[in-house]
This record gives sequence, C-alpha cells and structure tokens, in this order.
Amino acid sequence: GAVVSQHPSWVICKSGTSVKIECRSLDFQATTMFWYRQFPKQSLMLMATSNEGSKATYEQGVEKDKFLINHASLTLSTLTVTSAHPEDSSFYICSAGRQTGANVLTFGAGSRLTVL
Amino acid sequence: TQLLEQSPQFLSIQEGENLTVYCNSSSVFSSLQWYRQEPGEGPVLLVTVVTGGEVKKLKRLTFQFGDARKDSSLHITAAQPGDTGLYLCAGANGGYQKVTFGIGTKLQVIP
Repeated sequence: GAVVSQHPSWVICKSGTSVKIECRSLDFQATTMFWYRQFPKQSLMLMATSNEGSKATYEQGVEKDKFLINHASLTLSTLTVTSAHPEDSSFYICSAGRQTGANVLTFGAGSRLTVL
Repeated sequence: TQLLEQSPQFLSIQEGENLTVYCNSSSVFSSLQWYRQEPGEGPVLLVTVVTGGEVKKLKRLTFQFGDARKDSSLHITAAQPGDTGLYLCAGANGGYQKVTFGIGTKLQVIP
C-alpha cells in the first residue's frame, strides 16, 4: 500500500529559529501534496497545496513567507516554519495523492512541533 | 467555503453498544471519506463513498452516503475498545484535490 513518511516525528525548538519538516511518498509519485495543521482537540485545517515544480497554493490566512513549502521532486515536499513562535506549536500533517485512482489521499504520521 | 458538521463531537459508550456518527453539509460533494485518527498519528482512511445512497460495510462499521451527497453516517455495531479514536469525515470535489474535514467525533469505548 501507499506509504507517506514524515520527518521528524517531533521537534522542539527555540523561539525565532526555523524548522523544516519533510514529507516523502515512499512507494509512489505524488505531483500534489497537502499540508495541514491540527491544534489540540481540533480537526485538520488545510494550510497549503504543494505542487511539484511550481509554487505552493496557500489557503486564506496562511502566511506564505512564514510557512515555506518546497516540492522539488515527485516524492518530497518540505514545510519550513520560519522564525517560529510559541503560537506555531502544533501538529503538522502532510498528505499525498496518488496519480492513479480517484480521490485517494495517504497521510503521514504527523510532526509535533513545540516552540519554546 | 464548504463546511462539514459532525455530531456528536464526543461520545463515551460501553463495550458492546451501538453508535452512529453523523456528518452533514449544505454543500454537495463528489465523494466523502471517513478516517480514524489515533493520538499523535495521522488519519487513516476507512472508506470512500462516491454514489448518492451508497452503503459500504467494513466489518462492524457501516457507512452511508446521503442520496443528495450532502451528508453521511457511520454506524458501529457492538463497539469494541479498539474502536476508540477520533473519527473524521472529509468531503472532496473532483480528484484528490482539496479535502474539507469535519471537526471530528472523539469516541471512547469503555471495556
């Protein structure tokens, strides 16, 4: 089955630093990946759509200069949280859509970010 | 903006009981998915329904897509402690493009 790997699973950083989270599709190619943020006891909120070889599409209210997304290959998308602040602490989850098959998304296990 | 409302948001039941979770929207979706999410992990797809009125069964779980493709339900028969988790419905229109998630139903099954 399709597998999406996220790394790191959890990260703690100091306020003001930048953190990069990787999302890899291990056994399939993904031209499109999605990044979500999930706060405690809340649902997943789509942050942006990551498109291989082009700029990401951000949802309303998401700062593109703060959440940098790069999708340089068909199997890797990265999310960089720049100048992180405590309010950026959250569970970040990526998903990837397979090129074949209708409407099938595979989710990564998520990355827990804690900004001190 | 397409919104999905889930109810109930929290449910605590005894092992062996039945339960139904509802997912409603004023918008039409081409497909609707149900996921289960464990704490600290990503959502895992349970089922996708695409046809209005469609019913799918996955062991003790029964999923139904409304005739108008605006709502869905998840029924669990004889709930087990292993069913404990966050159940999310998600609607999509076309391909695997943007999926809108409901707020989720947190289910706890007490042994």
